[in-house]
Amino acid sequence: DQQVKQNSPSLSVQEGRISILNCDYTNSMFDYFLWYKKYPAEGPTFLISISSIKDKNEDGRFTVFLNKSAKHLSLHIVPSQPGDSAVYFCAASQNRDDKIIFGKGTRLHILP
Amino acid sequence: EAQVTQNPRYLITVTGKKLTVTCSQNMNHEYMSWYRQDPGLGLRQIYYSMNVEVTDKGDVPEGYKVSRKEKRNFPLILESPSPNQTSLYFCASSFSGNSIGKLFFGSGTQLSVL
Repeated sequence: DQQVKQNSPSLSVQEGRISILNCDYTNSMFDYFLWYKKYPAEGPTFLISISSIKDKNEDGRFTVFLNKSAKHLSLHIVPSQPGDSAVYFCAASQNRDDKIIFGKGTRLHILP
Repeated sequence: EAQVTQNPRYLITVTGKKLTVTCSQNMNHEYMSWYRQDPGLGLRQIYYSMNVEVTDKGDVPEGYKVSRKEKRNFPLILESPSPNQTSLYFCASSFSGNSIGKLFFGSGTQLSVL
């Protein structure tokens, strides 16, 4: 039973355009959501998070949107840069003190 | 430099030969966790620890053991490795409480069990 779903295994976007990565979740008790970025041969690194009391959080080129009624969140990267090519993991937790459930990841390719 | 250190980086072993993957963090984090990453399956949690002497099972704990005798160390033990434990393993740590989700990950250990 997959509680956090990233249905697109990969995504290709032209450099300079917007990248949109999507994530759906099934557990309505989740109240804290995160995105991690992973380069080959490295561990994941924290990118951005959002609490369920918000519907948007922005950090530079990265914005996360949360739609609680649809149990959906998305990560927007604007403008996309070559260094953004990586695997992005969506993750969720309940009460921030519980274990974190990760999605399967989406591989983002930024095309020159 | 704040970091999570895993050793070894690569490990090839044979079925049944006990092994330990070490994990150490220098950030005084209470929370530590082990994950495995497999193609098409993403990151799955093996075990986690909320603090010293407190450990709990994650989603895929079978075949693994952990211990948390000190705050900084959280070794992963495979008593009798099997080929289905061939995987990429990550250790992670975080402060507890309100920021547990902001995990710091090690660089990973690629394990092959023949």
